[in-house]
Amino acid sequence: GAVVSQHPSWVICKSGTSVKIECRSLDFQATTMFWYRQFPKQSLMLMATSNEGSKATYEQGVEKDKFLINHASLTLSTLTVTSAHPEDSSFYICSAPPGTTEASPLHFGNGTRLTVT
Amino acid sequence: GQNIDQPTEMTATEGAIVQINCTYQTSGFNGLFWYQQHAGEAPTFLSYNVLDGLEEKGRFSSFLSRSKGYSYLLLKELQMKDSASYLCAASDSNYQLIWGAGTKLIIKP
Repeated sequence: GAVVSQHPSWVICKSGTSVKIECRSLDFQATTMFWYRQFPKQSLMLMATSNEGSKATYEQGVEKDKFLINHASLTLSTLTVTSAHPEDSSFYICSAPPGTTEASPLHFGNGTRLTVT
Repeated sequence: GQNIDQPTEMTATEGAIVQINCTYQTSGFNGLFWYQQHAGEAPTFLSYNVLDGLEEKGRFSSFLSRSKGYSYLLLKELQMKDSASYLCAASDSNYQLIWGAGTKLIIKP
């Protein structure tokens, strides 16, 4: 089945540093990648939608200069959390629809647990 | 506005049956998804309904009523490993997913 590989699984960084999270589609071409954030005991919150070869679309309230998204190829999308602060500590998950129809279920990466100290 | 409602938490006994309800209000509708999420892990796809009725997949079944904006996930022969959060998500007219907050299911022996 369709696989999305996300790295790293967890990262601890100091406040003010930047962290890059990668998501790769291993056996399909992901023209679209969704980036979610999930705080403890809360549901998934869509941060942005990245499209291969074009600028990402950010949800209201998400700072595009802080959460840099790059989707340079059909198999790789990256999210960089710049100048991270403790309030950015969260579970970040990427997902992509592998199917050819827009009703295809999303396949998720395994998530990245970010802790900013 | 767009909204998804599902219970915050439910408790059931191993071997029993549990039904997790979900109601939705969206701008247009292109189907309803159920996902399972274990603590600290990413969601995994369980089911998709776009037509009214019941879809059965082994121990799990999902039901949809479009006229009522209502769906449920039915889990039979509960096992301890079914302890997880169950997320309901509706696809709107733009195929954007609107997520519920999830139902934490606790299975007791």
